[in-house]
Amino acid sequence: EPEVTQTPSHQVTQMGQEVILRCVPISNHLYFYWYRQILGQKVEFLVSFYNNEISEKSEIFDDQFSVERPDGSNFTLKIRSTKLEDSAMYFCASSLLARGLIFGPGTRLTVL
Amino acid sequence: AQSVTQLGSHVSVSEGALVLLRCNYSSSVPPYLFWYVQYPNQGLQLLLKYTTGATLVKGINGFEAEFKKSETSFHLTKPSAHMSDAAEYFCAADSSASKIIFGSGTRLSIRP
Repeated sequence: EPEVTQTPSHQVTQMGQEVILRCVPISNHLYFYWYRQILGQKVEFLVSFYNNEISEKSEIFDDQFSVERPDGSNFTLKIRSTKLEDSAMYFCASSLLARGLIFGPGTRLTVL
Repeated sequence: AQSVTQLGSHVSVSEGALVLLRCNYSSSVPPYLFWYVQYPNQGLQLLLKYTTGATLVKGINGFEAEFKKSETSFHLTKPSAHMSDAAEYFCAADSSASKIIFGSGTRLSIRP
């Protein structure tokens, strides 16, 4: 069964450093998403991406965040200058018709 | 603005007992509705979804949910709990093509 994959599974970084989280969505899907989950809290929407552009973003998704689909298969989330409060699980998701997202296993980001 | 409310952050039932996890949504447009399950240290797995048609939807692992428009509810049930059902359950709603939003989650514990 097709699945969304994410790398790395765990990323540790120093505050102020840039990180790039990578995702490979399901190949025929058209909509791509990033969500995050701070430990013990709810799953929060960050951004959605369709037709090579951002279709919606939350107030969390400020100027330090960016997304890219550089080569038609990977979908990346870049955090330019990480803060302690960016520590969370980051989930990538994709969908064919924007109904019923399929999530990846997540990347645990730890900012020290 | 759309919101999803899950009543009860923690539900505990005995093995073999009925599981009932509550979810209410608020939306001016009837949304598509989902239940996701998250096992410890894992990602989000789609349990079931309601889009259109039959209001009682069946999902994996014996779970089902009923969409009740008059009550703006989408409660998740399972007739007989199993120890392996212990997990975090998230209700989610999607009334636009750009994103789904999650409830705060309900942790289900199963007593032997």
